Amino acid sequence: TQLLEQSPQFLSIQEGENLTVYCNSSSVFSSLQWYRQEPGEGPVLLVTVVTGGEVKKLKRLTFQFGDARKDSSLHITAAQPGDTGLYLCAGRSSNTGKLIFGQGTTLQVKP
Amino acid sequence: KAGVTQTPRYLIKTRGQQVTLSCSPISGHRSVSWYQQTPGQGLQFLFEYFSETQRNKGNFPGRFSGRQFSNSRSEMNVSTLELGDSALYLCASSPAGGGTDTQYFGPGTRLTVL
Repeated sequence: TQLLEQSPQFLSIQEGENLTVYCNSSSVFSSLQWYRQEPGEGPVLLVTVVTGGEVKKLKRLTFQFGDARKDSSLHITAAQPGDTGLYLCAGRSSNTGKLIFGQGTTLQVKP
Repeated sequence: KAGVTQTPRYLIKTRGQQVTLSCSPISGHRSVSWYQQTPGQGLQFLFEYFSETQRNKGNFPGRFSGRQFSNSRSEMNVSTLELGDSALYLCASSPAGGGTDTQYFGPGTRLTVL
């Protein structure tokens, strides 16, 4: 069974701080996605990374896919209260095609 | 373009009952996937439908079933409800499913089993 472990599970920081969320697995994924979910809503896709070592930037968010395509990280620079939410990583299984989600990281950014 | 809609948004049932949830995908999308989200297990894949055929299935008991209609709308059914079925059920649609296809999630149906 392919699993994705996210860390940390909870993060509470002050506005302006930087943070990194990790998503790790012992399995290889054909692609990896990051989503953000707010209360009462479904997850919204932030980015998809496909190539090992790939780095993508979305404003203050930087996403990296590990060289071996087994892990990923999300780095937020100068966090803002609007970044508060549940961040989920999801890997597409090379074998089954299923999308497997990590447990999520709940981020709270205090003003 | 209208987003993914799910009905109902909230549902309360008792153990042993059955429930049907509905999902209307974005117009033109042919793939619909269903997920169960709970605080303990996170987001877990239930099944995916494409062109009225189940294309993929997660590790859930047979009490969980689904179907897709010719207009791509999908329903999922849970029979003989258990307390542990209380969860947020999310539906996601995409043009073709799989690969790097972007999935668009609906707001979910919050099911409470008493």
